[in-house]
Amino acid sequence: DAKTTQPPSMDCAEGRAANLPCNHSTISGNEYVYWYRQIHSQGPQYIIHGLKNNETNEMASLIITEDRKSSTLILPHATLRDTAVYYCIVRAHSGNTPLVFGKGTRLSVIA
Amino acid sequence: GAVVSQHPSRVICKSGTSVKIECRSLDFQATTMFWYRQFPKQSLMLMATSNEGSKATYEQGVEKDKFLINHASLTLSTLTVTSAHPEDSSFYICSARTQESSSYNEQFFGPGTRLTVL
Repeated sequence: DAKTTQPPSMDCAEGRAANLPCNHSTISGNEYVYWYRQIHSQGPQYIIHGLKNNETNEMASLIITEDRKSSTLILPHATLRDTAVYYCIVRAHSGNTPLVFGKGTRLSVIA
Repeated sequence: GAVVSQHPSRVICKSGTSVKIECRSLDFQATTMFWYRQFPKQSLMLMATSNEGSKATYEQGVEKDKFLINHASLTLSTLTVTSAHPEDSSFYICSARTQESSSYNEQFFGPGTRLTVL
C-alpha cells in the first residue's frame, strides 16, 4: 500500500468546517483513497472513499487533487462528537488487501 | 449497514491464562476477517488475515502459536490469546469483508475488546 502523510493533530471550532489534509504522493492508478475515523476506545468507522473525483456523503466531502497526490477530508459543520483520530488510507480497489493504518490526525473540536 | 460485533467488550485475566475473543458478522457473510491490535496512543496494527475455512496469515512479528485464530464459519472468527502476559494487554479489533460488498471493497469493524492481563 502507498504511504500517507497526515498532520498529527488539528483543532477546529465547533460549527466550523474541519479540513483534514492527506498526502499520498506514491499512490498507484488502481488505488482508492479511504477515510476512517476512530473515536476513543471504539472501532474505526468508515467515512468516505474516492478514486479521482470529488465525493460527498452525509458525513463528509472528499476532495482529491487532479494529480491524486493529495486529498482533503471536509467535515462541513464540526461538532464535539466529531472529535476523533482520522485516518487516510490508500488501497487497491480489488483483491484481499487489508486496510493498513498510519498514525492519522487527531482532530479536537472545541466548543 | 453491515454490523460486526465482538465479545467480550472487556476482559481482565491473570497472567498465564488463555482468553478467547469472538468476532461475529451479524447481517452478512464474512469471507475474510482481519484482526488488529492497538496499544495506547498508537495506531491499529494488523495482526493477521483469516479466510473462512483456511489457516490464518500472520503479519511479521506476530506469533501464530500465541495468537490462535479460527475462522470456522462465514459469520464467526475467534482470536485466542494463549498464556497471556501483561505485555499482551491491548485493544483488539476485528474487521470483516464480505463478498457481497459493493465495488469499493469496504471493511467493517467491530467495537473492539479491551484485554487487561494482570
